[in-house]
Amino acid sequence: DTEVTQTPKHLVMGMTNKKSLKCEQHMGHRAMYWYKQKAKKPPELMFVYSYEKLSINESVPSRFSPECPNSSLLNLHLHALQPEDSALYLCASSQGDTSNQPQHFGDGTRLSIL
Amino acid sequence: AQSVTQPDIHITVSEGASLELRCNYSYGATPYLFWYVQSPGQGLQLLLKYFSGDTLVQGIKGFEAEFKRSQSSFNLRKPSVHWSDAAEYFCAVAPYNTDKLIFGTGTRLQVFP
Repeated sequence: DTEVTQTPKHLVMGMTNKKSLKCEQHMGHRAMYWYKQKAKKPPELMFVYSYEKLSINESVPSRFSPECPNSSLLNLHLHALQPEDSALYLCASSQGDTSNQPQHFGDGTRLSIL
Repeated sequence: AQSVTQPDIHITVSEGASLELRCNYSYGATPYLFWYVQSPGQGLQLLLKYFSGDTLVQGIKGFEAEFKRSQSSFNLRKPSVHWSDAAEYFCAVAPYNTDKLIFGTGTRLQVFP
C-alpha cells in the first residue's frame, strides 16, 4: 500500500476536454512533486511544490497547470492536451526541500489522450 | 553535468541466483543515492538510500547496495532472487541542496523459474 494516493487510476480524455489529476498525502510532507513517465523510460520531473509554493517548473507546457491547495493536496489541471501527453503521471512527496529526504511515490494515473 | 548511468537495460536471472545491478553517477561531490523499484502498473518504491557513513546499506526485500567513491558506483545486490523481484529498477541521485532526483534509464529484471 502506498502512502501517496492518486486519483483517478486511469483517465481517458479527448484533446478538448478539461480534467484534473489529484494527489494526497498525510505524512506531513512539505514538498510535493509531479512526474511524467513514458513507457520504458524513467520519470521526468514536471513540477515541485515546497511549502505550498511552486519552486520548480521544468518548462512544462501551459496546458498542464499545477495547484497546491494545502500541504496535503496536489492537483494537476489538464486542458487541450495532445496525444503525446499520454503517459503515466506520478505524484511524490518528501519531508522537505532538502535533498537527503527520499521521495515517496503514488501509483500514478494512467492518462490516455484520444 | 550530473548524470546517472545504468549500463544494463535488461537482465535475466534464474530464481535463486544472485543479482547485481550496476549504477554509476557523475557528480562533483558525493550525492545522495537511492534505488527504487517499479512493478508493472505501479509507482516507484524506495528500496534503500545512502547519505553518508557505512558504505554498505541494507534495504527492504533483502536488497543491499554498496557505495564505492573511487568508482562513483552504487551497485544493488541480492543474494537470492525471487520471482516476485521481476520489475524495473531505477538508480537515482539527488545533488546536494536541490529538490531534484536524477534517474538512471532503468534496468528491467526478468526472473525465470
